[in-house]
Amino acid sequence: QSALTQPPSVSGSPGQSVTVSCTGTSSDVGSFNRVSWYQQPPGAAPKRIIYGVRDRPSGVPDRFSGSKSGNTASLTISGLQPEDEADYYCCSYTNTFTYVFGTGTKVTVL
Amino acid sequence: EEQLVQSGAEVKKSGESLKISCKGSGYNFAKYWIGWVRQRPDKGLEWMAIIYPADSDTRYSPSFQGRVTISVDNSISTAYLRWSSLRASDSALYYCARGLLPDLWGLGTLVTVSP
Repeated sequence: QSALTQPPSVSGSPGQSVTVSCTGTSSDVGSFNRVSWYQQPPGAAPKRIIYGVRDRPSGVPDRFSGSKSGNTASLTISGLQPEDEADYYCCSYTNTFTYVFGTGTKVTVL
Repeated sequence: EEQLVQSGAEVKKSGESLKISCKGSGYNFAKYWIGWVRQRPDKGLEWMAIIYPADSDTRYSPSFQGRVTISVDNSISTAYLRWSSLRASDSALYYCARGLLPDLWGLGTLVTVSP
């Protein structure tokens, strides 16, 4: 069971939009809408920011949005803020009744 | 307040056994899946295993099946992760997390295994 594929890093200036992709297969992302995204600042535990592909928990700013097309899920941060600098991970349910994380993406605010 | 409180850091030698714990509070422990996630130094998150406390239904990642054992004690709202024989490659930060797509995380337990 391989990790979902994410770009190692993305960057943007404050106020810009950035998108993080998460590519799986028809055995995970492509077959289920059970995809979540996590934000992990340096030295901190992960925090869920998106679940069910596109739903935001209460308290998460609406500049974070999720989507999915085929085997690829995406996280978009609109209006990038300095406090958004962190590592981001996707996670998906799989057809073996388990879950798998993505490889992780470091988002840098220039 | 809902929280997961994990046991403290451990330093072990290869071949030794270890059991780390995660105590849930502020919610109905038995009714939520709870699992473990590994993070090696400067590496990504790895989904390991999950258990439903109400009936002990368990799922393991193929990468960790046979290497670790997940269990719970509902009487004290605590989940466990156990190794029977540690390896140096098990050195990592281990998070417990609530839910199938976790919404609540512990702060992590650092496990260091010397060769």
